[in-house]
Amino acid sequence: GESVGLHLPTLSVQEGDNSIINCAYSNSASDYFIWYKQESGKGPQFIIDIRSNMDKRQGQRVTVLLNKTVKHLSLQIAATQPGDSAVYFCAENGGSYIPTFGRGTSLIVHP
Amino acid sequence: DSGVTQTPKHLITATGQRVTLRCSPRSGDLSVYWYQQSLDQGLQFLIHYYNGEERAKGNILERFSAQQFPDLHSELNLSSLELGDSALYFCASSPPSGGAYNEQFFGPGTRLTVL
Repeated sequence: GESVGLHLPTLSVQEGDNSIINCAYSNSASDYFIWYKQESGKGPQFIIDIRSNMDKRQGQRVTVLLNKTVKHLSLQIAATQPGDSAVYFCAENGGSYIPTFGRGTSLIVHP
Repeated sequence: DSGVTQTPKHLITATGQRVTLRCSPRSGDLSVYWYQQSLDQGLQFLIHYYNGEERAKGNILERFSAQQFPDLHSELNLSSLELGDSALYFCASSPPSGGAYNEQFFGPGTRLTVL
């Protein structure tokens, strides 16, 4: 069936480096994508979203890139900080109210 | 703080028992979603309610049920509990405008341990 998956389960970076977290999706009908951050012991928290009519969207220190041709989504975090350490999920909506979540990537930031 | 509250935070019970998890959405949000998150799985969608009505069901077991009350809070009932039901259960809410193009606001979760 349709699914959303992440390429890398764990990403380790040094503080101050840029981080890139990748996500592949298979539902070509998906038109809305969201990145969530989940810190240990907490619920997922919205970071940034993008609709399929865009290929790039920027927030504060974060950028989401969408490549519909290869059905790939990425989250870029600039100047990664220890507080960015968390699990990051991508989620996609194919027009329903129910997003499909990827498995998650654990980002570890070393001071 | 997302504005979504869940109680209890932790719950320890035995196999075969029944528990009720409670969720209060953000003020003004009409949608409530329930998810299960276990160690080896991502977020698994269970069920969605909108303004008191069930809108969608995911991989929810027949032993599980939910409802949304007139004040919009929701309860997830888990019965005949098994060891494999041990997981984090999250509730999320989303605002009525925007349809499917809405972020969801997640509560802090309830950690259920079945012994």
